[in-house]
Amino acid sequence: EVQLVESGGGLVQPGGSLRLSCTASGFTFSTYSMNWVRQAPGKGLEWVSYISSSSNTIDYADSVKGRFTISRDNAKNSLYLQMNSLRAEDTAVYYCARDGYGDYLLDYWGQGTLVTVSS
Amino acid sequence: QPVLTQSSSASASLGSSVKLTCTLSSGRTTYIIAWHQQQPGKAPRFLMKLEGTGSYNKGSGVPDRFSGSSSGADRYLTISNLQSEDEADYYCETWDSNTRVFGGGTKVTVL
Repeated sequence: EVQLVESGGGLVQPGGSLRLSCTASGFTFSTYSMNWVRQAPGKGLEWVSYISSSSNTIDYADSVKGRFTISRDNAKNSLYLQMNSLRAEDTAVYYCARDGYGDYLLDYWGQGTLVTVSS
Repeated sequence: QPVLTQSSSASASLGSSVKLTCTLSSGRTTYIIAWHQQQPGKAPRFLMKLEGTGSYNKGSGVPDRFSGSSSGADRYLTISNLQSEDEADYYCETWDSNTRVFGGGTKVTVL
């Protein structure tokens, strides 16, 4: 069974930093590209970042470019999101999500971790 | 970057059917999309991938009463024999280069 488990969320002050983790199991993590997607309270889904299976290709939404860094450790079956210079508008539930094999559509989601940016 | 347009809400009676629409922006009528369901307070769940031909592939455990179809730039999700647990937000998704694009979501209410 495919499982994605996020951790690392919490309350942080504006301008602060946080590192999210996503631990994968039930599939060969090293062969799949991964993403972070967030959802602000009461709002829709917003794609945040993408990383290819070998970390060769990385991309970010304009709203987080220059502040967030995505990475992965295939030996640990783990995906990460380093978030710096956090703003109130970054407050959201953050989901890690897997791309389907051979395409770029999300086919599995984690349960999410809440990040709250507030003083 | 493609744009996906969804109606904000839909409602139907228990046991009936509802058809949701996701419209691709012009020039992108061949794009494949995915449909995701998000029940209240839960994470999204992948339902299916849907091609412009109308061919679709459902995720593991998705009930038979969920089906997809296409016409031009429109991608549809039909829920037959509507159940109370189908009350949820439904999002369509596609991609362009390495980025993902979501529609605004349709909230389905079961009457």
